[in-house]
Amino acid sequence: DAGITQSPRHKVTETGTPVTLRCHQTENHRYMYWYRQDPGHGLRLIHYSYGVKDTDKGEVSDGYSVSRSKTEDFLLTLESATSSQTSVYFCAISGTAETQYFGPGTRLLVL
Amino acid sequence: GNSVTQMEGPVTLSEEAFLTINCTYTATGYPSLFWYVQYPGEGLQLLLKATKADDKGSNKGFEATYRKETTSFHLEKGSVQVSDSAVYFCALTVGGSYIPTFGRGTSLIVHP
Repeated sequence: DAGITQSPRHKVTETGTPVTLRCHQTENHRYMYWYRQDPGHGLRLIHYSYGVKDTDKGEVSDGYSVSRSKTEDFLLTLESATSSQTSVYFCAISGTAETQYFGPGTRLLVL
Repeated sequence: GNSVTQMEGPVTLSEEAFLTINCTYTATGYPSLFWYVQYPGEGLQLLLKATKADDKGSNKGFEATYRKETTSFHLEKGSVQVSDSAVYFCALTVGGSYIPTFGRGTSLIVHP
């Protein structure tokens, strides 16, 4: 199994508070991704990174920001959480343009 | 652009039944094709893949053949088990792109 962890695994927060989710890999893969998964929507790409300090937006990036200061860490920040951001968040990594390896997910509930 | 279309679920089967989950795609260029599986409460994991036309990917009794002429990559298994209950995602990448395109996922429920 690819070495990829997410923290926290579960979080409950209140509307308007900032939230940061962390993805950590031990594979030294170049590419890292943040997805959200919601019923009826499948997986949707939020942001991705193709190297340290190199990031770009996905299809649902509004309300989210990311940072990657080290190869192994990719942070997702909700600057001011809203109830519509209640979801399951998955981090993924890829060493090539092909296979992706997913983390276990973070369940976020925004009240 | 690229897109992946999967059959809507849930697919409900009895144990030992034959499984087919349809997947068709459109792609600019020559894609690599994937099936991922997501067990309850977990992240997605690669089930199988095929990188060129007529290739067959296989794993854990599942198979899928890359059919360029029909732009399809249907997932099959001859005899499903209760433990195969999961959500299955078809996906593609096109050479030079590091952003995969996923289908919506198909839920499979296998009853004893």
